Amino acid sequence: EAGVTQFPSHSVIEKGQTVTLRCDPISGHDNLYWYRRVMGKEIKFLLHFVKESKQDESGMPNNRFLAERTGGTYSTLKVQPAELEDSGVYFCASSQGILYEQYFGPGTRLTVT
Amino acid sequence: QKEVEQDPGPLSVPEGAIVSLNCTYSNSAFQYFMWYRQYSRKGPELLMYTYSSGNKEDGRFTAQVDKSSKYISLFIRDSQPSDSATYLCAMIYILTGGGNKLTFGTGTQLKVEL
Repeated sequence: EAGVTQFPSHSVIEKGQTVTLRCDPISGHDNLYWYRRVMGKEIKFLLHFVKESKQDESGMPNNRFLAERTGGTYSTLKVQPAELEDSGVYFCASSQGILYEQYFGPGTRLTVT
Repeated sequence: QKEVEQDPGPLSVPEGAIVSLNCTYSNSAFQYFMWYRQYSRKGPELLMYTYSSGNKEDGRFTAQVDKSSKYISLFIRDSQPSDSATYLCAMIYILTGGGNKLTFGTGTQLKVEL
């Protein structure tokens, strides 16, 4: 069974540009999560999808971040315009249900210069 | 104040040593307590989870939860070089609307030396 995949693995962009991160969850997992780790800090929750609906987006830092999950399958996280403080590793996770294990992808390392 | 506190290390031990990793938390609403292991350039993977106070054992790993003290521990017996990784504690509570989210500690970097 394929695990959670994320693309790209690494992205380097300039301040003010737009970047879109993609996450493909494990097939059949209705729950999809985005987390972020900035340098020296803990991994922090961004938002939670159940199928295509946003269940909780309390962790989204500001309106420069937009997450979508088309048809309840893959998800994208767009940052527009990117700022220096957005640099970090963005993780996606998926689970069968809210009481089930969250499986993490390898992350996308975003560097904003 | 952070909801979850964890010493970032690094922690270096000789092969075969017993390792003790700890976290404290402040939010009494947390219901489930997890330990994740993360290798370099990989995502976190779940090692163990517990729900109630007490001990849970899985091979060389023992997870311990003390809800009265808001303190959790992970013990690794007979540590191996392959155990070298970052260990993250994480906690979860189920939201009223049915959602959930993991709250992580910063992670402790462990190196087991030959």
